[in-house]
Amino acid sequence: GENVEQHPSTLSVQEGDSAVIKCTYSDSASNYFPWYKQELGKRPQLIIDIRSNVGEKKDQRIAVTLNKTAKHFSLHITETQPEDSAVYFCAASSKTSYDKVIFGPGTSLSVIP
Amino acid sequence: EAGVAQSPRYKIIEKRQSVAFWCNPISGHATLYWYQQILGQGPKLLIQFQNNGVVDDSQLPKDRFSAERLKGVDSTLKIQPAKLEDSAVYLCASSLVQGGYEQYFGPGTRLTVT
Repeated sequence: GENVEQHPSTLSVQEGDSAVIKCTYSDSASNYFPWYKQELGKRPQLIIDIRSNVGEKKDQRIAVTLNKTAKHFSLHITETQPEDSAVYFCAASSKTSYDKVIFGPGTSLSVIP
Repeated sequence: EAGVAQSPRYKIIEKRQSVAFWCNPISGHATLYWYQQILGQGPKLLIQFQNNGVVDDSQLPKDRFSAERLKGVDSTLKIQPAKLEDSAVYLCASSLVQGGYEQYFGPGTRLTVT
C-alpha cells in the first residue's frame, strides 16, 4: 500500500525566512497531494493541494512542487510569520486505492519572532 | 455552511469498557472518513464511507472497532473493548465526493483509556 514519508520532523526558522518541507510517496499511481496545517489542539485544515498533471502550484506565500519521476513533493513557505507555526502534514491518494488519503507523520514548524 | 460536528469532545474510560463516537458531516458530502490520530503522529485512516457503503476499512481493528453510516449521513464509531493503546484523538472528516477533493475535519474526540 501507499507509504508517505516526510522530512524534517521539526523545523525552526526565523520570522521572514523561508521554510521547506519534503515528502516522498511510494505508489506511482498516486494522483492527488494535499497539504494540511494543524495548529495545537485544532483540527487539520487544507492549505494547498496539487494534482499529478501539474508540476507546481502557488497561493500567496505558499507553494507546492511535484516531481512524479522521483515521487516526491515539497511545500515552500516564504516570508514566514509566527502564525505559520503549526504541524504540517503532507498526504497522497491514488485511484487504485479507492482514493484513500495517506498522511505523512508531520513536520512541526516553529517560526521564531 | 455548518462544519463537521462530532461528539463527545472528550471521553475518559477504563480499559475493557466500550465507547461510541458520533459524527455529522457537512450536508451533501457523500464521503465520510474516520481517522485515529495518536499524539505526535499523522491521522491514520480507519474507515472510509461513500454514502452508506464502506469503501475501505483495511486498517480498522475489526475485533474491537466497528462503524456504521446509516442513511448515508451521520456515522458512529464504536470501540469494544477499549485498550490502553486506543488513547488518541478520533477525527471525522467529510468531502463532497471521494478522489482529489478537500476533506473537512471535525473538532475530534479525545479519548483517554486508563
